[in-house]
Amino acid sequence: AQTVTQSQPEMSVQEAETVTLSCTYDTSESNYYLFWYKQPPSRQMILVIRQEAYKQQNATENRFSVNFQKAAKSFSLKISDSQLGDTAMYFCAFIVQGAQKLVFGQGTRLTINP
Amino acid sequence: DGGITQSPKYLFRKEGQNVTLSCEQNLNHDAMYWYRQDPGQGLRLIYYSQIVNDFQKGDIAEGYSVSREKKESFPLTVTSAQKNPTAFYLCASRYSGKAYNEQFFGPGTRLTVL
Repeated sequence: AQTVTQSQPEMSVQEAETVTLSCTYDTSESNYYLFWYKQPPSRQMILVIRQEAYKQQNATENRFSVNFQKAAKSFSLKISDSQLGDTAMYFCAFIVQGAQKLVFGQGTRLTINP
Repeated sequence: DGGITQSPKYLFRKEGQNVTLSCEQNLNHDAMYWYRQDPGQGLRLIYYSQIVNDFQKGDIAEGYSVSREKKESFPLTVTSAQKNPTAFYLCASRYSGKAYNEQFFGPGTRLTVL
């Protein structure tokens, strides 16, 4: 079975700090795509960043970057210079090439404190 | 503007009643999805559809029904058979032609059973 595990149900950091959210996944496939979604208090799901499994280079989007370790099946999200607006639930997800649906983790609730 | 709309934003249902949640997209996406989210929890897939007039059960389809008569629309009916329907419901769509294409989400509908 394909699964995603986010081992940190909740995290809390001070504004401007750097925080890393963990995600591990399990699949026997070699071609897949990984995503981090953000769900702020408004509950609107927003894509934060994506990573193609065949790429060794880690994806980066402004203050958001990932540490993708394919052999370890790990896909962590790093948020640099955290801001109050980063407060949200963060979901890790992946989809296998040719599949029709994403597999989501249970989420990590991140709170940025002023 | 392209996007996904869900209506209503809030819905109240008496026990024993069927209710239908609307989901419309103008992104020309072929695939559409319905998720249920309970407080503090992750997303659970109810149904998904890849093409018009075809849909598949997700992980928690019991007590729910869907239709896909138009590419743009994917309504979800919560039937009286769903024993605990109070939850937040998210609709999503995606262009399934490429695996790296992310899902776009609607703003959600909060259903409360009175």
